[in-house]
Amino acid sequence: NAGVTQTPKFQVLKTGQSMTLQCAQDMNHEYMSWYRQDPGMGLRLIHYSVGAGITDQGEVPNGYNVSRSTTEDFPLRLLSAAPSQTSVYFCASSYRTDGEKLFFGSGTQLSVL
Amino acid sequence: GENVEQHPSTLSVQEGDSAVIKCTYSDSASNYFPWYKQELGKRPQLIIDIRSNVGEKKDQRIAVTLNKTAKHFSLHITETQPEDSAVYFCAAIGNNDMRFGAGTRLTVKP
Repeated sequence: NAGVTQTPKFQVLKTGQSMTLQCAQDMNHEYMSWYRQDPGMGLRLIHYSVGAGITDQGEVPNGYNVSRSTTEDFPLRLLSAAPSQTSVYFCASSYRTDGEKLFFGSGTQLSVL
Repeated sequence: GENVEQHPSTLSVQEGDSAVIKCTYSDSASNYFPWYKQELGKRPQLIIDIRSNVGEKKDQRIAVTLNKTAKHFSLHITETQPEDSAVYFCAAIGNNDMRFGAGTRLTVKP
């Protein structure tokens, strides 16, 4: 099993550009989620999903969209990137639907200039 | 919503000593408290967790204690080793509201 796979590992955007961060898991986990990690602020939940077709907002959802068309994939979309979205993004999944016992991906370092 | 505070932000110990990291939470609905370890440049990994109906849990050199009345929980690492050096995050979860602490950078000096 590959676990949780995130792509790309690094990305540089200009303000206003859009992009999609990809996340896939091969563990048949129902729960998937996105976090951003900023220095001194820990991990903050952006969006999460408890199954295909179901998504919900986390602590910091503004500026991000998600969809969950399959159990395996949970992409994160930045519609119009802003410098405040410069961060490290982690995708995570769990076999539980309540966010417990998370398996994290390797992260995406995003810089918005 | 939930608010989690973590202390200290940095901790340096000698190899073989114990390390304690403390977290407090605000939402009495929180019922699950995990700890994640993140080595430099790596992904966070779950090292131990505890539910609200348990006061203490131990796994080899790592233990977590929970005081529901005071709304605080702690990570205890005994006989620290250089490979324990990392950033440790606590979290509190209740009603799908998940909040992480800001992290503690633990350095174990050989």
